[in-house]
Amino acid sequence: AQSVTQLDSHVSVSEGTPVLLRCNYSSSYSPSLFWYVQHPNKGLQLLLKYTSAATLVKGINGFEAEFKKSETSFHLTKPSAHMSDAAEYFCVVSESGNNRKLIWGLGTSLAVNP
Amino acid sequence: EAGVVQSPRYKIIEKKQPVAFWCNPISGHNTLYWYRQNLGQGPELLIRYENEEAVDDSQLPKDRFSAERLKGVDSTLKIQPAELGDSAVYLCASRGSGSSYNEQFFGPGTRLTVL
Repeated sequence: AQSVTQLDSHVSVSEGTPVLLRCNYSSSYSPSLFWYVQHPNKGLQLLLKYTSAATLVKGINGFEAEFKKSETSFHLTKPSAHMSDAAEYFCVVSESGNNRKLIWGLGTSLAVNP
Repeated sequence: EAGVVQSPRYKIIEKKQPVAFWCNPISGHNTLYWYRQNLGQGPELLIRYENEEAVDDSQLPKDRFSAERLKGVDSTLKIQPAELGDSAVYLCASRGSGSSYNEQFFGPGTRLTVL
């Protein structure tokens, strides 16, 4: 069975400092992995996805994530946080097979301090 | 290209009342999902449609929840009667084929408050 664990429920950074949101996954097959962002009162937006191509994936708004199979990790990073990055971030693994059910982490709330 | 459209955005009802949510997926997307997201949690799948067929409704509380996608395009999710514990954000998502095959596109959600 597939699962995903977001290691931090809350992360707080200062504006202009790096962001690291951690995610570990468990999968019996080559997974597809995603990071979604949810701003208050807005829908979920895809930040980036890994689907067995390049292990370093670049997404929108300066975010990127690296797929590390040996560590079963897919951590999300950004070199310099902006106030507008404050939101809830979800790490997601996609099941293999035709149904491609998404398995969601519990989310990490990112606060950006001025 | 228009995204996934949901209405209403907000709904407040009293318990035991019925409520319905509407979703129009991205044009051409055959797969449609309804999720429920409780405060501080990730979305949980309620039902998945492939065209007009509900192919996964194992998590849908069928005693009070129902859904339909009669023409394989837009969809309605209904709760009757609503309970206090149904307060949540109800999300609709759609998925197409091609290079973004695994990617689901989400609507803004309907925030339901049951009093």
